[in-house]
Parts: sequence; C-alpha cells; structure tokens
Amino acid sequence: DTAVSQTPKYLVTQMGNDKSIKCEQNLGHDTMYWYKQDSKKFLKIMFSYNNKELIINETVPNRFSPKSPDKAHLNLHINSLELGDSAVYFCASSQVRASEAFFGQGTRLTVV
Amino acid sequence: QKEVEQDPGPLSVPEGAIVSLNCTYSNSAFQYFMWYRQYSRKGPELLMYTYSSGNKEDGRFTAQVDKSSKYISLFIRDSQPSDSATYLCAMRETGGFKTIFGAGTRLFVKA
Repeated sequence: DTAVSQTPKYLVTQMGNDKSIKCEQNLGHDTMYWYKQDSKKFLKIMFSYNNKELIINETVPNRFSPKSPDKAHLNLHINSLELGDSAVYFCASSQVRASEAFFGQGTRLTVV
Repeated sequence: QKEVEQDPGPLSVPEGAIVSLNCTYSNSAFQYFMWYRQYSRKGPELLMYTYSSGNKEDGRFTAQVDKSSKYISLFIRDSQPSDSATYLCAMRETGGFKTIFGAGTRLFVKA
C-alpha cells in the first residue's frame, strides 16, 4: 500500500524518443506535483495540479506535458527527449497548500 | 541570487556528534519552513516543519527559524550512521502552492 507510486523506476531511452512516466497516489490528496532532481541533487518544481487543474507551470520546455485524468493520477509525457533531460523525476502529493508533501520513489531517466 | 541557499557539503562527522545544517533565504514572505531527508535512490521524506519563527524539537532533531536573519537550521544530536543522507531545506509562502528547495547537504556519519 504505497502512498505515492511512480512507474517506471528506471527508464533508459535514446534521444528523440517520446516517453511517459505515471504517478498515482492513494492518500486522498487533492494536489500533485512533478519535480526534477538533477545530478547535483537540486530539486526543482515543474508542475502542480490541484483537483485536475494546472496551478503551477514553471519554465519547462513545452516538450514536457503533464496530464491529470483524475485527482489521484498525474502523468508526465516527454516528447523528443534530449540528453539534458537525464535526471530523476519525482512525483509528490499533498493536501492543498499543506506543508507536508509525500514523494514517490522517483524515476531515473537516462537519455543516451 | 537563489531564493534558498544551502551548502551542498559533503559534511562528514563521527558517530555521536552534534550536526548543524543550515539554509539562508532571501524571500521575506516565506512562512513555512521544512526539512526533508533523502536517502540514496529514495524520495525525500519530511522530517520537520516550522511555521514562522522559533524552535521545534522532535527526538534528536531540532529545527530553528530566525526570520530576522533569514536563516534556518536543523540540529541532529547523537548522530547515528543511519542519519547519513542528504538533507534538504524547503520553504513556502503562506497560501502559496510552490515550495522552494535548497540544494541539499550530503551528510556522512562515520561509525
């Protein structure tokens, strides 16, 4: 009964490919996030959805497109992958504006 | 200047030492201050959070916020090898949706 689960855990793909990462939370939270963590461990928010509505959209290339089919799911689709997209992507959820965010285990994306 | 500054370390201490981890910030509107712990190849988990200024203690961990200096600290007493992890400070404005993270400090506690 994992609280925030992401799939896949590891993803190795070639430049130019399109890939998706899925996230599901069973905590009943109404806000979900995507974060990117680079090789220096810097964690930066990319997107946030509240009740399926996009509320944060940081300066992220439009090759990245989040989709929230319902408030328990937030997927991330990436088009035309580039070497610089290699990172760990974390999904998280919280109650709206709550201090505590629960993170998934991360998806380690390697673009070759 | 980044909104939140945190020394990435690494910081190496012997078992039993008192560890002090710190962050500075520039946005005076930040009111919520958090510390997350991240083990290798895992997601961050919330350790402590504090609203506005003051201290908060939980077992071996104490979080301090000094809003006048825009400075927050996490103290770990009687450090253990199991405390070896990356510690990330994080902050948010009241009513805000966005949490800003520091770069994380990598801590090693040697047995």
